[in-house]
Amino acid sequence: GDSVTQMEGPVTLSEEAFLTINCTYTATGYPSLFWYVQYPGEGLQLLLKATKADDKGSNKGFEATYRKETTSFHLEKGSVQVSDSAVYFCALSGGFKTIFGAGTRLFVKA
Amino acid sequence: EAQVTQNPRYLITVTGKKLTVTCSQNMNHEYMSWYRQDPGLGLRQIYYSMNVEVTDKGDVPEGYKVSRKEKRNFPLILESPSPNQTSLYFCASSRARDAHSNEQFFGPGTRLTVL
Repeated sequence: GDSVTQMEGPVTLSEEAFLTINCTYTATGYPSLFWYVQYPGEGLQLLLKATKADDKGSNKGFEATYRKETTSFHLEKGSVQVSDSAVYFCALSGGFKTIFGAGTRLFVKA
Repeated sequence: EAQVTQNPRYLITVTGKKLTVTCSQNMNHEYMSWYRQDPGLGLRQIYYSMNVEVTDKGDVPEGYKVSRKEKRNFPLILESPSPNQTSLYFCASSRARDAHSNEQFFGPGTRLTVL
């Protein structure tokens, strides 16, 4: 069945460092790919998405490109802030079901 | 304000005592879904609904029931809760058209403890 694998955390970075969180997937067909972010005590909210191969999603300085050849959707940000500390979930959706990765916790130190 | 609401936010109960977690959305979304979040496992889909009176199983439906009698509401029912259902539960909604490419809007979560 479909699955999502993302790098284990926690990831600890200093402010202004470069961020990469790896995400790979297995799926039949042509799913849409998402990154959601969860701040402490809150529900998930969409960070960015891509609906077809080679699409790049971007939002708030975060970017991810839908790579069909490597089945990947890695999240990147050039300069993280303390306020980016959260849990990040990679997800795929192909139809009415959605599969989430295990989540990666990010800590950003001032 | 567009939102998904869940009640209760916190619940401690005992094994076997039936409970219902309510979910309501005010965005006129056709699609609604329930997830549970457990450490190291991410979110796993329990049930989803494509529209009123149309529901289907997700990946972990055992021990849960749902109903969709109205478009805005999608309650999650635990007929006989067990300790392995202790978890953080999220309800979500989205437009059903092109559902696979649509953003889901999540509620604030319900933390359930079954003793």
